Amino acid sequence: EVQMVESGGVVVQPGGSLRLSCAASGFTFDHYTMHWVRQAPGKGLEWVSYVTGDSRGTYYADSVKGRFTISRDNNKNSLYLQMNSLRTEDTAFYYCTRDTAVVYFDFWGPGTLVTVSS
Amino acid sequence: QSALTQPRSVSGSPGQSVAISCTGTSSDVGGYNYVSWYQHHPGKAPKVMVYDVTKRPSGVPDRFSGSKSGNTASLTISGLQAEDEADYYCCSYAGNSVIFGAGTKVTVL
Repeated sequence: EVQMVESGGVVVQPGGSLRLSCAASGFTFDHYTMHWVRQAPGKGLEWVSYVTGDSRGTYYADSVKGRFTISRDNNKNSLYLQMNSLRTEDTAFYYCTRDTAVVYFDFWGPGTLVTVSS
Repeated sequence: QSALTQPRSVSGSPGQSVAISCTGTSSDVGGYNYVSWYQHHPGKAPKVMVYDVTKRPSGVPDRFSGSKSGNTASLTISGLQAEDEADYYCCSYAGNSVIFGAGTKVTVL
């Protein structure tokens, strides 16, 4: 059974840093591009970043470029998001999701809540 | 990277059909046949309903169909049912980037 579980969401002050993790199981992890998608309270879904299966390609939304870094460890079947210089507008549920083709997100984790507040 | 344009809400009675539009540009929706649609109930993970503009994943009812013309993609729900009430988001590849729509609330009257 395909499963993904995010962790690491906490309350952090503006300007702070945080690392999210996503533990994946039930599929051959390194065969898939993986994404982070977020949803701020009362707002819509927003794509954050993706990394290719071999980690050769990493891409970011303009809103997080230069502040967030996506990475993966295929030996540990894990996806990460290092978040620096956090802003109040980064407050959101963060989901990891598997991309089976091109923007075909067939499995999602339950999400982890990041709150940026003083 | 502005969100793709969707109507804020659409509604219909059980059994009716509703269509949700998703308008982008030639750099995203119009430039690639990589548009997907997601159903999202609050507190749950999003569920893919359509991918590659028109394809339905296994298990998704054939009441859900996708199409595209130029820079606008559409999701049609035929034979609307109570459980279809949810938020729906379109999503498009945009050349090493991804853009979601602003979301449409579907209400079953």
